[in-house]
Amino acid sequence: DAGITQSPRHKVTETGTPVTLRCHQTENHRYMYWYRQDPGHGLRLIHYSYGVKDTDKGEVSDGYSVSRSKTEDFLLTLESATSSQTSVYFCAISGDNYEQYFGPGTRLTVT
Amino acid sequence: AQSVTQLDSQVPVFEEAPVELRCNYSSSVSVYLFWYVQYPNQGLQLLLKYLSGSTLVKGINGFEAEFNKSQTSFHLRKPSVHISDTAEYFCAVSYTGNQFYFGTGTSLTVIP
Repeated sequence: DAGITQSPRHKVTETGTPVTLRCHQTENHRYMYWYRQDPGHGLRLIHYSYGVKDTDKGEVSDGYSVSRSKTEDFLLTLESATSSQTSVYFCAISGDNYEQYFGPGTRLTVT
Repeated sequence: AQSVTQLDSQVPVFEEAPVELRCNYSSSVSVYLFWYVQYPNQGLQLLLKYLSGSTLVKGINGFEAEFNKSQTSFHLRKPSVHISDTAEYFCAVSYTGNQFYFGTGTSLTVIP
């Protein structure tokens, strides 16, 4: 299995609070991604990174920001969490073979 | 916008029967195509991929898929399913190798 970990694995937070999710890889892959998974929507890309300090928006980036200060870490921040951001968040990495490897996911509940 | 359509949200099938999960994508330009499987409470795992070459692609666990450019399809097949194949299956497409677009998933249930 690709070396990808996500933390925390579960989180419950209140509306309006900031939340940061962490993705850590040990594969030294260039590309890292954050997706959210919701019933009926499949996986939707939030943000992705193509190198240290190089990031770009995906299709559902509103309300989210990211940072990548090291190759191995990709952080996803919800500046002010809303109930619509209750979801399962997956981190993924990919290298030159176009394959994506996924982390175990973080289940976020915003109350 | 690019899109991927998985035509069946749920597919029930009896054990040892064949199955086909359908996937269509929106553009006929050069594409990379993927099928992923997700078991309950886990992340996605790559089943197979098409990058170029032979249009029939074989993957893990006895699955295969056929790339049909004229029909912009990449249907997943298995000749004989097992209980352990019960899972969610996602089709994905990439046009650049860097961004990926996923379908909404097909829930495969294998009935004993």
